[in-house]
Amino acid sequence: EPEVTQTPSHQVTQMGQEVILRCVPISNHLYFYWYRQILGQKVEFLVSFYNNEISEKSEIFDDQFSVERPDGSNFTLKIRSTKLEDSAMYFCASASRVKYGYTFGSGTRLTVV
Amino acid sequence: AQTVTQSQPEMSVQEAETVTLSCTYDTSESDYYLFWYKQPPSRQMILVIRQEAYKQQNATENRFSVNFQKAAKSFSLKISDSQLGDAAMYFCAYRGNAGGTSYGKLTFGQGTILTVHP
Repeated sequence: EPEVTQTPSHQVTQMGQEVILRCVPISNHLYFYWYRQILGQKVEFLVSFYNNEISEKSEIFDDQFSVERPDGSNFTLKIRSTKLEDSAMYFCASASRVKYGYTFGSGTRLTVV
Repeated sequence: AQTVTQSQPEMSVQEAETVTLSCTYDTSESDYYLFWYKQPPSRQMILVIRQEAYKQQNATENRFSVNFQKAAKSFSLKISDSQLGDAAMYFCAYRGNAGGTSYGKLTFGQGTILTVHP
């Protein structure tokens, strides 16, 4: 069964550093998403991406965040200057059509120290 | 804005018994999708079941079924013949189907931790 692959599985970074979280969506999917989950809390939408541009973003997704699909297969989330409160599990997801739902990756645990 | 509420932070069930997890939502849209996701300790998000709002028939996937009450905006998950592997956090989620390329973000509830006792 096709999978969404996320790397790394766990990343520790110092406050103020830039991080890039990587995702390889399912190859024939067209819609891509990032979500985050702070430990013990609910999953929150960050951004959706379609046709090489952001289609929707939440208030969490401020100027410190950016997304890119650099080579037609990878889908990245960059946090420019990490803060302690960015520590969370970050999930990538992709979808082909609305009614089929999403496939989530296994997540990247980001720890900011 | 849409909201999803799971009023049961924790539930427990004996192995082989049946348990129902509750979810209510609020929306002004008439066309939407509802989902239940399972998150085991590995923290992977696994789709359990989905329901299309325009379908009156309740969705069923093996031991998992839903009770979808559109007028009441209620979407509960029933797990029959519970197994130890069902132990996980369960999230109810809503996605609108307003069309266009935004494709509709998922709005999640707070989650319910399900414990299965042998």
